[in-house]
Amino acid sequence: NAGVTQTPKFQVLKTGQSMTLQCAQDMNHEYMSWYRQDPGMGLRLIHYSVGAGITDQGEVPNGYNVSRSTTEDFPLRLLSAAPSQTSVYFCASSKYQGASSPLHFGNGTRLTVT
Amino acid sequence: SQQGEEDPQALSIQEGENATMNCSYKTSINNLQWYRQNSGRGLVHLILIRSNEREKHSGRLRVTLDTSKKSSSLLITASRAADTASYFCATDEDSSYKLIFGSGTRLLVRP
Repeated sequence: NAGVTQTPKFQVLKTGQSMTLQCAQDMNHEYMSWYRQDPGMGLRLIHYSVGAGITDQGEVPNGYNVSRSTTEDFPLRLLSAAPSQTSVYFCASSKYQGASSPLHFGNGTRLTVT
Repeated sequence: SQQGEEDPQALSIQEGENATMNCSYKTSINNLQWYRQNSGRGLVHLILIRSNEREKHSGRLRVTLDTSKKSSSLLITASRAADTASYFCATDEDSSYKLIFGSGTRLLVRP
């Protein structure tokens, strides 16, 4: 099993460009989430999903969109990239929602917006 | 705002010593988790403790939870250089579906 797979690993965008960060899991997990981590800081929740067709906002949702059309995939879209979105993005999944089961993390996408 | 606040922000100890990290949170919770992050990598789950539990062990890890004080501690016994990492607590804020992380403790174990 691959676990949680994120692509790409690295990305450089110009201000105003849009892109989609891909996340896929093969563990049949219902719960998926996106976090961003800025240097020297903890993770901040962007969006999460408790199942296919259901998404909700986290702590810092502005500038990001998500959708969950299948159990396996949870892409994160940056609508119009800004330098403040320079960060490392982590996708995670768990069997159950919230903190009731461990999160499995991908290896992250390092995004730079110039 | 972040739910959990770890203390200390950074900790440097000698190999073989014990390391204690603390986490305080603000709202009611159902569960609290601890994670480790090696530099530049994704987080790895260490231990989960439920709100009706007071203590949990896993190998050299011991976690306590005091819901009356809204705090938890992670003890790593007989530390090794390989334990050098950042450690984060995470809780389900207001017993919701959101898993919110604290700011982390950076642990350095000197050989």
